[in-house]
Formats: sequence, C-alpha cells, structure tokens
Amino acid sequence: DAKTTQPPSMDCAEGRAANLPCNHSTISGNEYVYWYRQIHSQGPQYIIHGLKNNETNEMASLIITEDRKSSTLILPHATLRDTAVYYCIVRVRDDKIIFGKGTRLHILP
Amino acid sequence: DVKVTQSSRYLVKRTGEKVFLECVQDMDHENMFWYRQDPGLGLRLIYFSYDVKMKEKGDIPEGYSVSREKKERFSLILESASTNQTSMYLCASSLTLVNTEAFFGQGTRLTVV
Repeated sequence: DAKTTQPPSMDCAEGRAANLPCNHSTISGNEYVYWYRQIHSQGPQYIIHGLKNNETNEMASLIITEDRKSSTLILPHATLRDTAVYYCIVRVRDDKIIFGKGTRLHILP
Repeated sequence: DVKVTQSSRYLVKRTGEKVFLECVQDMDHENMFWYRQDPGLGLRLIYFSYDVKMKEKGDIPEGYSVSREKKERFSLILESASTNQTSMYLCASSLTLVNTEAFFGQGTRLTVV
C-alpha cells in the first residue's frame, strides 16, 4: 500500500506557483519523502527528496511540516511542460519504491 | 547522465510465448526495479534486485520472473505471456536503497494478442 495521500488532480495557471500537497501521517523517523513526476508516455523523473528540512533544487522546493505528517511540492513558475502526474512517495519497508495514484497537474495557458 | 535503457519501446507477442524484457543501466547502480503501469492502477512493483543474482518480489510477481546475472542488466521474463500482461513495463535503477533517487527507462509497451 502506498503510504501517502494526494489529491487526484489540480489546475494551475501558467507562470504561477504550483503547490502540490501530500499527506503521510504514518511516516516513521527514518523515512524520506520523495517526489517524482511522469510526463505522458515517459518514465517517471525524480524531482526532489527530503527528510525533515525544507529542500530546494533547480526544479522545485519541498516543504515538510515540523511533525513530518505532510509536505508540499512547489513549482515556483509553472509552465505548460510541467503538465504531468506528480507522485509523492515515502520509503516503506524493505526500502521498495511504492507509487500511489499521484496528482494529475494541469497547467492552464 | 545516468542512462537506463530498455531494449524495446513497443513489443507485440502472442499468448503463450516466452517474453524477455531487457534493461541496462550504465552507472554501476546496485539496485534495479521492474514496474508495470496500467490505467487507473498506477505503477506497481513486480520485482527488484539489490545485487547481482539477488531478487525480491514486489507487489505483483505472479506470472513473472527476473534474472540479474550482471550488475548492469536486469531482465524481466514472462514465462507464458497472457493477455492480462498487456501493459507498459518500466525499469528503474538506483545507487542505494535510501537517500538516492531512482532513474527510469522510457518504458516498453507490451501487447499480448
């Protein structure tokens, strides 16, 4: 079972920040939060990951709440190419990567 | 750049055939994974391997087997293909099991007729 809950879909206007939420209320202390995205007809692409501190890279920012029960992926200036399914993943037992249903993000022109 | 290469982008096979899906990575990664992706079901883990000749079952291993004779290559085998194995198959690799990202291939769309 995926250990995360995400909204099935979201819309965001082009040029605005896209904020994608994820709940992971059963996360344990040594589990990381990962984000991947999958653009149509391609394999998933890694975006960012974190443990407890907020993280930023050239693609996105990851904000993790202090209790670590939820997180938000932020795409600061969304473009049409950011239209994809975004997966929030918590490493579970045996460290397998288990994908949930993800959030389908539509960027509106 | 890490590259994960799957041998075929599209494949059509007949029911009952033995099918081999090949995956090669070029970054000396320890771990390799096979997933299938179906509409409405998302990505589901079939098998993974954390070392040469080592394998672990994922969530849906039935009807599949795997082979990892060399570190860079991870093969998915359908012993006797069936129509319900028509799907998109994705291979991935990662350096370690935690704290590193996984890199995915482009996928193989398998149709069993």
